[in-house]
Amino acid sequence: DIVMTQSPDSLAVSLGERATINCKSSQSILYSSNNKNYLAWYQQKAGQPPKLLIYWASTRESGVPERFSGSGSGTDFTLTISSLQAEDVALYYCQQYFSTPFTFGPGTTVHIK
Amino acid sequence: QVQLQQWGAGLLKPSETLSLTCAVYGGSFSPYYWTWIRQPPGKGLEWIGEINDRGSTTYNPSLKNRVAISVDTSKNQFSLKLSSMTAADTAVYYCTRATVDTLTTGARWVDHWGQGTLVTVSS
Repeated sequence: DIVMTQSPDSLAVSLGERATINCKSSQSILYSSNNKNYLAWYQQKAGQPPKLLIYWASTRESGVPERFSGSGSGTDFTLTISSLQAEDVALYYCQQYFSTPFTFGPGTTVHIK
Repeated sequence: QVQLQQWGAGLLKPSETLSLTCAVYGGSFSPYYWTWIRQPPGKGLEWIGEINDRGSTTYNPSLKNRVAISVDTSKNQFSLKLSSMTAADTAVYYCTRATVDTLTTGARWVDHWGQGTLVTVSS
């Protein structure tokens, strides 16, 4: 299985400031034949199911605010919230869909400083 | 707007079999993958397995001997059965839809989630 790790476990950011979450896979999830990274990011608010934010490591899902962006390649990835809003308080998970069983990172909690 | 509505027993005794069903409203049943994911209380997400509209399944090897996912395309429903339940299986179970990128080799990511069902295993 591909093991996904995230850092930090928890993050406190002031409103309007940048939040950065890191995700690392135990092996490359870049598929050489199409040069795509098989990584998604999800946001989970308290008491709700997760919501898809980003797929292909950097493609924003329809309706997701532009302040959310994804980057990285191979084994190292980043989710950036450019200007934190109150409604962004949540748990954030990365997930690889390169090979089954698809696996998730342990999550990063974002709250307001 | 696609909606996934799931139901099933929320309280089981050890050794019983979990049975959950998920109905898909407002969208086509194909060419998507239909997936079950679970989340123990206060913990992270675990992918259980998936099925496509042709009935082809893939399971998490950690659960493979206990899990079965089936589909009823005539009703736009899919189901999960997990046998020999223990307290370690206590979790919120989500049914989900995974969109397939037809331009690649079947790459798929979850883009719609059901509301979740809390399943507790206790004697």
